Amino acid sequence: QSALTQPASVSGSPGQSITISCTGTSSDVGGYNYVSWYQHHPGKAPKLMIHEVTNRPSGVSNRFSGSKSGNTASLTISGLQAEDEADYYCCSYTSSNTPVFGGGTKLTVL
Amino acid sequence: EVQLLESGGGLVQPGGSLRLSCAASGITFSGFAMTWVRQAPGKGLEWVSSISGSGAATFHADSVKGRFTISRDNSKNTLYLQLSSLNAADTAVYYCVKWSGLYSERPGHFQLWGQGTLVTVSA
Repeated sequence: QSALTQPASVSGSPGQSITISCTGTSSDVGGYNYVSWYQHHPGKAPKLMIHEVTNRPSGVSNRFSGSKSGNTASLTISGLQAEDEADYYCCSYTSSNTPVFGGGTKLTVL
Repeated sequence: EVQLLESGGGLVQPGGSLRLSCAASGITFSGFAMTWVRQAPGKGLEWVSSISGSGAATFHADSVKGRFTISRDNSKNTLYLQLSSLNAADTAVYYCVKWSGLYSERPGHFQLWGQGTLVTVSA
């Protein structure tokens, strides 16, 4: 199973909104509503931010939102804050009954 | 407090073996599938292995199949990963991660992550 495709980096200024894309195929992203997103500050444990495309776990800011169209899922962060600077990974369930991650996107808050 | 605490990482020679452990607390351990995810230096996250809540079903990525074995002891709330025939490409931080459901082969997500343990394969 090939990794999902994410941009290597995105950036934005405080208060702005950014969107990170995650492109797969009909065997993963496009075929299932089981896309999740993880925030990873280096040296710390990754954190679940979005599951099942649009669902936000308890405790996650409503500035984070997810969506999907066809084979591409997206994570949008609005009202960007300095603490949002981190690596972000998408993940999808696949037709092989296993999960596959994206390559990761480094978010820089300018 | 809900917590996953990995241990067992370290420096090992190519071709060597290592066993990682993950102690879970604050969760109904047997009620959830558990997984291992790794991150090589400068690389992204990679799913490695999964095991169902009962331990009856296990799954491994092609990159580790035949070399790594996942297991669990529900009486001890502990997850294991036996690593063998290690090579440099296995150098990574290994994370113990709670799956969102009882069966890892069913759709879900990685719900709770440990802090990770570093495995370095080098002569």
